[in-house]
Amino acid sequence: ILNVEQSPQSLHVQEGDSTNFTCSFPSSNFYALHWYRWETAKSPEALFVMTLNGDEKKKGRISATLNTKEGYSYLYIKGSQPEDSATYLCAFGSSNTGKLIFGQGTTLQVKP
Amino acid sequence: DSGVTQTPKHLITATGQRVTLRCSPRSGDLSVYWYQQSLDQGLQFLIHYYNGEERAKGNILERFSAQQFPDLHSELNLSSLELGDSALYFCASSVAPGGVYEQYFGPGTRLTVT
Repeated sequence: ILNVEQSPQSLHVQEGDSTNFTCSFPSSNFYALHWYRWETAKSPEALFVMTLNGDEKKKGRISATLNTKEGYSYLYIKGSQPEDSATYLCAFGSSNTGKLIFGQGTTLQVKP
Repeated sequence: DSGVTQTPKHLITATGQRVTLRCSPRSGDLSVYWYQQSLDQGLQFLIHYYNGEERAKGNILERFSAQQFPDLHSELNLSSLELGDSALYFCASSVAPGGVYEQYFGPGTRLTVT
């Protein structure tokens, strides 16, 4: 059974702090790794899709890196703001089906 | 707004009943996915349709079925409902099948079985 693990489960930081979380996935048969942001009472919103070992992607203050050989991805948020408060999900993407296997998420709370 | 629509937003029904959840993908997207979010579970993949054909099945119960119509909208049918079926059901769409494509999620349907 393919397992995607995220840590930590939750994180509380002060406004202005930089933070990062981890997503671990099986390194064999890797195809794609997705990051989603999920705000309360909304639906998950795609942040990044990463496919190549060593990939680095950036969107504003949020960036992500990928290591497919060791099976992990990091998501970084620089200078956290209260509006960054959300659950961040990673998902392992299957090749031809598009099936996504999600981790349990990291819930970030940024205090003003 | 992702462009994916789902109806209804909320549904309350009794055990043993049958319900239908509806999803319209973003304009131009041919793939539709259904996911279930239960209380203590992460997002669980249920089923994927591409251009009217089933492409992959996940942890979908035999009491559940889905289809994608020629206009590309999709319906998820849940029958003989049990209390444990109470969950948030999301539909997502992407332009094509395959794990490299971003999936755009609808607002979800919250199902409560009493």
